[in-house]
Amino acid sequence: DQQVKQNSPSLSVQEGRISILNCDYTNSMFDYFLWYKKYPAEGPTFLISISSIKDKNEDGRFTVFLNKSAKHLSLHIVPSQPGDSAVYFCADQAGTALIFGKGTTLSVSS
Amino acid sequence: NAGVTQTPKFRVLKTGQSMTLLCAQDMNHEYMYWYRQDPGMGLRLIHYSVGEGTTAKGEVPDGYNVSRLKKQNFLLGLESAAPSQTSVYFCASRAGDLQGNYGYTFGSGTRLTVV
Repeated sequence: DQQVKQNSPSLSVQEGRISILNCDYTNSMFDYFLWYKKYPAEGPTFLISISSIKDKNEDGRFTVFLNKSAKHLSLHIVPSQPGDSAVYFCADQAGTALIFGKGTTLSVSS
Repeated sequence: NAGVTQTPKFRVLKTGQSMTLLCAQDMNHEYMYWYRQDPGMGLRLIHYSVGEGTTAKGEVPDGYNVSRLKKQNFLLGLESAAPSQTSVYFCASRAGDLQGNYGYTFGSGTRLTVV
């Protein structure tokens, strides 16, 4: 069974609006979840993380929310910009390696 | 500071051929990883290493071998390439001491096509 699930393959948002990307997980024992952003022909780059002892972490336009009872986390981007168009991966720090979801392609139109 | 460097960037192989992908990092990181990315599948862990001379299997290790003879290098080998190994391969490294963003650095990828 997938440890990290991103059920929406794609999301389209208008510039200036909020983008919400979702991630569900099955592992009950974890330390951190991380979000990575990936542009075509480049490696993933770290965006934001959240630890198991927090419900929210904010960094500029990016906020990650963690709902432990629902085993769900979400990434909010406000306001969305065309440069945010990329693939976003949710990742679980499981043991010694990152376990990734399948990714969500975000398209922000101007 | 180059970070994580992958060579080659592109390669086309015939079925049955062998090749080695090289990952080099200059950050003195303990941990190194090989992932593959396929459409709709995200990044899946192939093999990883927690230090020089060590290797371990990840989620999809079949058909691949790895070696970590030097701390800065992590090699991924395909002994007999198959079309199913057509993918984009990413190497990553991180320090052994986890902090903040967990300090993973990814290379820019190797696009491999097996025909």
